[in-house]
Amino acid sequence: QKEVEQDPGPLSVPEGAIVSLNCTYSNSAFQYFMWYRQYSRKGPELLMYTYSSGNKEDGRFTAQVDKSSKYISLFIRDSQPSDSATYLCALLGVALTFGKGTMLLVSP
Amino acid sequence: DTAVSQTPKYLVTQMGNDKSIKCEQNLGHDTMYWYKQDSKKFLKIMFSYNNKELIINETVPNRFSPKSPDKAHLNLHINSLELGDSAVYFCASSQAGRAANEQFFGPGTRLTVL
Repeated sequence: QKEVEQDPGPLSVPEGAIVSLNCTYSNSAFQYFMWYRQYSRKGPELLMYTYSSGNKEDGRFTAQVDKSSKYISLFIRDSQPSDSATYLCALLGVALTFGKGTMLLVSP
Repeated sequence: DTAVSQTPKYLVTQMGNDKSIKCEQNLGHDTMYWYKQDSKKFLKIMFSYNNKELIINETVPNRFSPKSPDKAHLNLHINSLELGDSAVYFCASSQAGRAANEQFFGPGTRLTVL
């Protein structure tokens, strides 16, 4: 079993839709939970991070962590074409472990 | 601009050659990293340096040798390049400790081995 599982997509939605991106993990030692966004041919950029179970909101983005289920989610409200990118979950234990990324396509 | 920069952006070379990729950060961070992103977009850590000292060395062939002349620079030297080394290599930096969750990535170096 891989440490971090993430559906690679692609996930296609119309503009304005609510997007749900998810990861599951197996290692209880992970302490911090991050979401990175990567545009094509660019480096990943940090969107949000959290270290506790529950929700954390930042504008149109909400990160959710359920440590008991080892499940993390990123919700994007009112999705925009500019949100089209690959979203990677990342978990920090000794080092940063990334999921494979989900490609999101938001069509106008 | 404050950022993490890498050179070159593209690198095309023959099997068996030796090449280097340079990374510099002007964010004042203590820790720098090298990641490899393969053709399936899977991003995996290779090395981590804190204040010029190696702290993480994943199962990477010893043909890969990182060098940190100072805490703002972390270069990656690759000997005897193989086809499987073709990938995008990202440099990143962060503060040490718990702040390692906030990593800033460079633009990547796309290495193609022919």
